[in-house]
Amino acid sequence: ILNVEQSPQSLHVQEGDSTNFTCSFPSSNFYALHWYRWETAKSPEALFVMTLNGDEKKKGRISATLNTKEGYSYLYIKGSQPEDSATYLCAFKNSGYALNFGKGTSLLVTP
Amino acid sequence: DSGVTQTPKHLITATGQRVTLRCSPRSGDLSVYWYQQSLDQGLQFLIQYYNGEERAKGNILERFSAQQFPDLHSELNLSSLELGDSALYFCASAFTAGGTEAFFGQGTRLTVV
Repeated sequence: ILNVEQSPQSLHVQEGDSTNFTCSFPSSNFYALHWYRWETAKSPEALFVMTLNGDEKKKGRISATLNTKEGYSYLYIKGSQPEDSATYLCAFKNSGYALNFGKGTSLLVTP
Repeated sequence: DSGVTQTPKHLITATGQRVTLRCSPRSGDLSVYWYQQSLDQGLQFLIQYYNGEERAKGNILERFSAQQFPDLHSELNLSSLELGDSALYFCASAFTAGGTEAFFGQGTRLTVV
């Protein structure tokens, strides 16, 4: 089982604030890094899959970067909105193909 | 709707019993993952199948087993159930074994009484 660490565990911001979270993973045998958004009472929804060192992906106000050499990825949300409130999960896949999830960062955005 | 179907949605059973959870992947997806989410825990990886073959194994108990059939649907069998097996079980499907996003089903809520 590979250790995937996410920080912070939870975050409470005001509407309009920009925020970012960190995902740390083992840097050896890297295959892919996934980000998911998980709303209460729903199932996780894929945001990004990144496979190359230096990858940057963007979807609307949400973006992510990847550093495979040092084993971290950042997820950024620009101008947070209440509808961004959710748990953000990252998952690491190594060459052994198991997709292991971190415990997530719980984001609450208040108006 | 992710296109991944899990049945049943809810299951209540007694300790010592055996249950089967079913997952139909999205059309065209070859890979199926199974995860367990217990109270206050994250998604714990159980097992992955790709095109009918076991590809990766996590902390899956010996009382649990899974398989993926020729039509690519998968079943997770849980036997000799204990109270601690109560959890939300998710399956997810993906086109490849790891480089593409996984799509999650709605989960099966298992309650062992």
